[in-house]
Amino acid sequence: EPEVTQTPSHQVTQMGQEVILRCVPISNHLYFYWYRQILGQKVEFLVSFYNNEISEKSEIFDDQFSVERPDGSNFTLKIRSTKLEDSAMYFCASRPLGGTEAFFGQGTRLTVV
Amino acid sequence: SQELEQSPQSLIVQEGKNLTINCTSSKTLYGLYWYKQKYGEGLIFLMMLQKGGEEKSHEKITAKLDEKKQQSSLHITASQPSHAGIYLCGADRFKSNYQLIWGAGTKLIIKP
Repeated sequence: EPEVTQTPSHQVTQMGQEVILRCVPISNHLYFYWYRQILGQKVEFLVSFYNNEISEKSEIFDDQFSVERPDGSNFTLKIRSTKLEDSAMYFCASRPLGGTEAFFGQGTRLTVV
Repeated sequence: SQELEQSPQSLIVQEGKNLTINCTSSKTLYGLYWYKQKYGEGLIFLMMLQKGGEEKSHEKITAKLDEKKQQSSLHITASQPSHAGIYLCGADRFKSNYQLIWGAGTKLIIKP
């Protein structure tokens, strides 16, 4: 069964460093999303991506964040200069055209030290 | 801003018993989604409701959306250990799909 794959499962980085979280969405899906969940808090929407551009982004998704679909299969989230408060579980999701169900990856736990 | 409140926060249920989880919005919902979260497994889609009064079932799980589209319930009949996990409701902030806000989750424990 097709699934969304995220790598790495856990990333530890030093404050101020750049980090790239990788996602491989399901191959025929056209909508892509990043969410995050800070430990003990609610899941939060970050950004949606369609047709090779950002379609929606939240207030959280500021200039230190960027997304890219570099090669037609990967979907990446880059955090340029990580802060302690960026520590969270980051979820990637994808959805097919016309579909109501978004498929989520298992998440990448980012720890900023 | 729109908020989703889930209740209860946690629930311990004897195996075989029924249970209900609620999700209430401060504003009318465009779409209401139920997901299940298990550690290390991401978020698993259960159901999506859009119309007032809509009800959907899958196996032993039934979800309903009230007529005013501000409250949804998730009902599990004859609970099993496989139902254990965290149940999350999410709602579209706007008519564009999946720019979701989320409830805090309900942790369900099934006692054998």
